[in-house]
Amino acid sequence: AQKVTQAQTEISVVEKEDVTLDCVYETRDTTYYLFWYKQPPSGELVFLIRRNSFDEQNEISGRYSWNFQKSTSSFNFTITASQVVDSAVYFCALSGSGTYKYIFGTGTRLKVLA
Amino acid sequence: GAGVSQSPRYKVAKRGQDVALRCDPISGHVSLFWYQQALGQGPEFLTYFQNEAQLDKSGLPSDRFFAERPEGSVSTLKIQRTQQEDSAVYLCASSPGWRDGEAFFGQGTRLTVV
Repeated sequence: AQKVTQAQTEISVVEKEDVTLDCVYETRDTTYYLFWYKQPPSGELVFLIRRNSFDEQNEISGRYSWNFQKSTSSFNFTITASQVVDSAVYFCALSGSGTYKYIFGTGTRLKVLA
Repeated sequence: GAGVSQSPRYKVAKRGQDVALRCDPISGHVSLFWYQQALGQGPEFLTYFQNEAQLDKSGLPSDRFFAERPEGSVSTLKIQRTQQEDSAVYLCASSPGWRDGEAFFGQGTRLTVV
């Protein structure tokens, strides 16, 4: 069975702090995809990143970075120098190769205080 | 349009009433998905279309739920005889290909059954 766990329900930080959102996944597939989505109060899920299981290189995009470690089945997301606009619910998701279903975690609500 | 459009954004239904939720995917996208998001939870898969073909409806919670995409573009999710447990946000997503690509989500329809 496939499963995504986001143990942090809610995190509050002060603006300019760094914050890491944890994601742990379970799958028996050898090929799979991992995603992060942001859900602002407006409701839509905004795509942030997709990573396939064969690419363990960490990725940085501006203030965002992702750490993928197959050995611990984790795909963590770090926001550097957080801003109030980063306040949202962040979802980690998993998709097996050749499938279309996303298995989402329960989300982490990030509050960035001014 | 530029993104996935869903209507209505909000729907209040009396228990027992039938409702229809509409999704306009990104033009040309082959794949279309429906997800249900309960309060405080991650989205859960309902059904998947590849063009006009409904290839997977395993996530539909009961036979009161029905989805269609007759011309391979716009999709409608219909819920018959709504019940309180149907209250949730219904998210539609589309994807250019039919596997392994990232999905683009709409803002969702918040359904409240009273």
